[in-house]
Amino acid sequence: EAGVAQSPRYKIIEKRQSVAFWCNPISGHATLYWYQQILGQGPKLLIQFQNNGVVDDSQLPKDRFSAERLKGVDSTLKIQPAKLEDSAVYLCASSLDLGGAAEAFFGQGTRLTVV
Amino acid sequence: AQSVTQPDIHITVSEGASLELRCNYSYGATPYLFWYVQSPGQGLQLLLKYFSGDTLVQGIKGFEAEFKRSQSSFNLRKPSVHWSDAAEYFCAVGPFTGGGNKLTFGTGTQLKVEL
Repeated sequence: EAGVAQSPRYKIIEKRQSVAFWCNPISGHATLYWYQQILGQGPKLLIQFQNNGVVDDSQLPKDRFSAERLKGVDSTLKIQPAKLEDSAVYLCASSLDLGGAAEAFFGQGTRLTVV
Repeated sequence: AQSVTQPDIHITVSEGASLELRCNYSYGATPYLFWYVQSPGQGLQLLLKYFSGDTLVQGIKGFEAEFKRSQSSFNLRKPSVHWSDAAEYFCAVGPFTGGGNKLTFGTGTQLKVEL
């Protein structure tokens, strides 16, 4: 079974530029999550989708971050404009459904460096 | 608000020695509890999870964890550590009802194994 795919693996941009990350979840997984992991910290949930609808985006900085999952499969996370403090690893995860009994599988992440 | 505390930032053990990683949580209701492991450049892998029932939970790679409600703890243990266990370990809590995988992570414990 293929895992959660993320691209790119690494990205370096200058502050005020824009950047987008892509995630392809495990086939059949209805729930998709984006987490931000700043160096030295645990991952922090940014947004949670169920199919193509947003379940929770309360921790997403909506002035600069946006995410979509138009067809209920792939998802993109965008930052525009980027700030230095956005440097982090962005992890995508998917699970069969919302319930905690369904294990969440994580991708390898995209490491973003903002200079 | 829910929170997770991992008091040990770094732990060093000798190969073959026993291991215990501490985790304390704060949550207003019955939580789901998880332990994840993250190797360098890799995504998070689920070691084990607790929902209900037996408070001693067995996981993969020989790990186990014990849920102690009275102490709000969910410590991870392994009787004999292998060099390949060197990684970062994250404890996480999720809501019992709906969105169980909407996880709040601790800051992690970096495990070093001496040969």
